[in-house]
Amino acid sequence: DQQVKQNSPSLSVQEGRISILNCDYTNSMFDYFLWYKKYPAEGPTFLISISSIKDKNEDGRFTVFLNKSAKHLSLHIVPSQPGDSAVYFCAARPFGNEKLTFGTGTRLTIIP
Amino acid sequence: ETGVTQSPTHLIKTRGQQVTLRCSSQSGHNTVSWYQQALGQGPQFIFQYYREEENGRGNFPPRFSGLQFPNYSSELNVNALELDDSALYLCASSQATVIYGYTFGSGTRLTVV
Repeated sequence: DQQVKQNSPSLSVQEGRISILNCDYTNSMFDYFLWYKKYPAEGPTFLISISSIKDKNEDGRFTVFLNKSAKHLSLHIVPSQPGDSAVYFCAARPFGNEKLTFGTGTRLTIIP
Repeated sequence: ETGVTQSPTHLIKTRGQQVTLRCSSQSGHNTVSWYQQALGQGPQFIFQYYREEENGRGNFPPRFSGLQFPNYSSELNVNALELDDSALYLCASSQATVIYGYTFGSGTRLTVV
């Protein structure tokens, strides 16, 4: 049972444009959501997070949107840069529990 | 501030053998979690240790076991290795009281033949 789903295995975006990565979840107990970025041969790196009490969180070029009623979140990167090319994982955590449930990842390729 | 370091980086074992993977937590972190990432999948939670006690476990059989030491470093032990255990094993540390994301190590790539 995949509780966190990233339905797009890959995405290609022109440099300078907006990248939008999507994530859906099924477990209504999740109350904290995170995005991680992973380069080859490295561990995942924390990017941005959002609590279920918010619907938007912004950090520089990165913005995460949460739609609780749809159980959907998205990561917006604008403008996209070549260094953003990586695999992006969405992860979720229930309240009071450190266990993260990850999606299967989306490979983002930024085309110069 | 040092990050999370894991050793070894790569390992090849034979089916039925036992393996120990090691992790040094980031300075100041007292919680360690282990994840298994199979090819093409997201990381899957194995278990977590907080102050040397297991503090949660995922859907992994008992042949996956762990330890956390007083300096908060950790080991993951896998007995009776199976071919499906081939994966990237990630260690992540955090401060239990902080709800930021974990700091992950680069992982150990285990291949079982």
